[in-house]
Amino acid sequence: GENVEQHPSTLSVQEGDSAVIKCTYSDSASNYFPWYKQELGKRPQLIIDIRSNVGEKKDQRIAVTLNKTAKHFSLHITETQPEDSAVYFCAARLDSGNTPLVFGKGTRLSVIA
Amino acid sequence: DTAVSQTPKYLVTQMGNDKSIKCEQNLGHDTMYWYKQDSKKFLKIMFSYNNKELIINETVPNRFSPKSPDKAHLNLHINSLELGDSAVYFCASSRAGGRGYTFGSGTRLTVV
Repeated sequence: GENVEQHPSTLSVQEGDSAVIKCTYSDSASNYFPWYKQELGKRPQLIIDIRSNVGEKKDQRIAVTLNKTAKHFSLHITETQPEDSAVYFCAARLDSGNTPLVFGKGTRLSVIA
Repeated sequence: DTAVSQTPKYLVTQMGNDKSIKCEQNLGHDTMYWYKQDSKKFLKIMFSYNNKELIINETVPNRFSPKSPDKAHLNLHINSLELGDSAVYFCASSRAGGRGYTFGSGTRLTVV
């Protein structure tokens, strides 16, 4: 089955700096890669996703890149703000059938004002 | 109008007890899931149901028994609770093919 590795496990940045979180996946058949943000005591919420027919996707201050050959994808947050502080999860799955999302172990991002 | 709702939000119980967590979604999704999030925040799939049928059981002890009376509901019953069952349990649902994945607000289970 799919296995997703995520790094780093914790990340501290100064407000205004950029943050990058990286993930690798094992199943070359996976073709859907979402990112979730989980604030303290809240549910994980989708912030951006990318499918394997696209190499990069951007939504305001967040962007995701995908390298299918190397089987890795990354989340980039620019101009970080204190409200970006949360745990971020990457995930992967085959975007057909009923296979569930397999999550990385999460990255705790702290943005220091 | 909550999309995926779970009850209860908090559950504190003694070892050996039996408890249930309920989940309902009003999104018209075909597939529902249970995930366990441990103290290290790792989100691990437990079960996946599609149109009331069990699709995936990820080596979960048989003390855990999911039940799906209809495609809008997926409940989780846990027998003989153990200390290691303490975690946050999230229900989620998605459309056919896994799109539109949405989580419930979670149930924090504490076994004492």
